[in-house]
Amino acid sequence: RKEVEQDPGPFNVPEGATVAFNCTYSNSASQSFFWYRQDCRKEPKLLMSVYSSGNEDGRFTAQLNRASQYISLLIRDSKLSDSATYLCVVTVLGGGSYIPTFGRGTSLIVHP
Amino acid sequence: NAGVTQTPKFRVLKTGQSMTLLCAQDMNHEYMYWYRQDPGMGLRLIHYSVGEGTTAKGEVPDGYNVSRLKKQNFLLGLESAAPSQTSVYFCASRTQGGDSYEQYFGPGTRLTVT
Repeated sequence: RKEVEQDPGPFNVPEGATVAFNCTYSNSASQSFFWYRQDCRKEPKLLMSVYSSGNEDGRFTAQLNRASQYISLLIRDSKLSDSATYLCVVTVLGGGSYIPTFGRGTSLIVHP
Repeated sequence: NAGVTQTPKFRVLKTGQSMTLLCAQDMNHEYMYWYRQDPGMGLRLIHYSVGEGTTAKGEVPDGYNVSRLKKQNFLLGLESAAPSQTSVYFCASRTQGGDSYEQYFGPGTRLTVT
């Protein structure tokens, strides 16, 4: 079982829709959580960190549920420019430092 | 600031050839990482470094070696390339402290082994 799991999608939604992705992780000692965005054939870029209390950045809301070991990303009022792959990242302490582990990514396609 | 740069951007190798991928960062970051990304597999960690002169194995280290002789550079070597090493290679760096743990990625190197 992979340490970080995501539904690969694609999620195909119309502009203006609300869409949510989940990501589950297997290691209960995971320390930090992030969502990255990756456009086609480009490098990943940090979208937002995920905190226990939940956090919001404009149309994006991220939440962490430690008891059930998952994080979520909610995108409201989807734009065409939101089309991308969203990568879940979890860090786990290993060898004295925190090692990042990526999920396989969830593909989002926003259509007119 | 150039951020994280990778050299070369593209390369085609024949099976058995060797090559070195160079990653350079100008942000004075302590941590540096090498990943490979294959279709449907996400990013997998090959090797990483927590500081100059130190390296450690990641999830998929076999067939690769690394060196961090200078803080700003992290080299990834393929001694004898195999078709299974055809992939997109990303380098990343991050600062040691802080709450963010944000990684900054280079633009990637697209490697094909025939």
